[in-house]
Amino acid sequence: KAGVTQTPRYLIKTRGQQVTLSCSPISGHRSVSWYQQTPGQGLQFLFEYFSETQRNKGNFPGRFSGRQFSNSRSEMNVSTLELGDSALYLCASSFEDSIGEQYFGPGTRLTVT
Amino acid sequence: DQQVKQNSPSLSVQEGRISILNCDYTNSMFDYFLWYKKYPAEGPTFLISISSIKDKNEDGRFTVFLNKSAKHLSLHIVPSQPGDSAVYFCAVQTGANNLFFGTGTRLTVIP
Repeated sequence: KAGVTQTPRYLIKTRGQQVTLSCSPISGHRSVSWYQQTPGQGLQFLFEYFSETQRNKGNFPGRFSGRQFSNSRSEMNVSTLELGDSALYLCASSFEDSIGEQYFGPGTRLTVT
Repeated sequence: DQQVKQNSPSLSVQEGRISILNCDYTNSMFDYFLWYKKYPAEGPTFLISISSIKDKNEDGRFTVFLNKSAKHLSLHIVPSQPGDSAVYFCAVQTGANNLFFGTGTRLTVIP
């Protein structure tokens, strides 16, 4: 069974631009969560989607948004990029009501210059 | 406001010895705790978990201990192997598929 895939793996953008990251969950998984990893803050929860609906949201500004498609694939968008948005963005998928055990993709490394 | 804290950013242990990774949390209402391991250039992988109704859970070389009164979680790896060298994150689950992670501890197992 294929794992969680994320594209692109690396991205360089300029301040003020916007970016869209993509995540394909493991087949059969309906929940997709997004996390931001930075050296100082560790892994921080962005939001979680299930059946095309945002079910949970972390404490991030409205510049961070996402969506989920009917095939469970998810995209995350960051508008008006800031230098502090440079991070590793991780996507994780799981079954509907799984407790804790999420399966992570390799991440997208975003650098904002 | 860190709800989960890993106060040791790094730990070095000799191969064959015990590795003990620690984690503190702030909210006594948390009821499910997890450890993840992360290698460079890979996403975190689930290692072991424990619910608040238990104080110990064991899986092979890995044991997680939960001290609810102290709001403290620890992961023991015995015996430690060089392949265990990675960053270890503790996490708490606060809602459906919503995890709060600590900042991680980099474990180095010296051959």
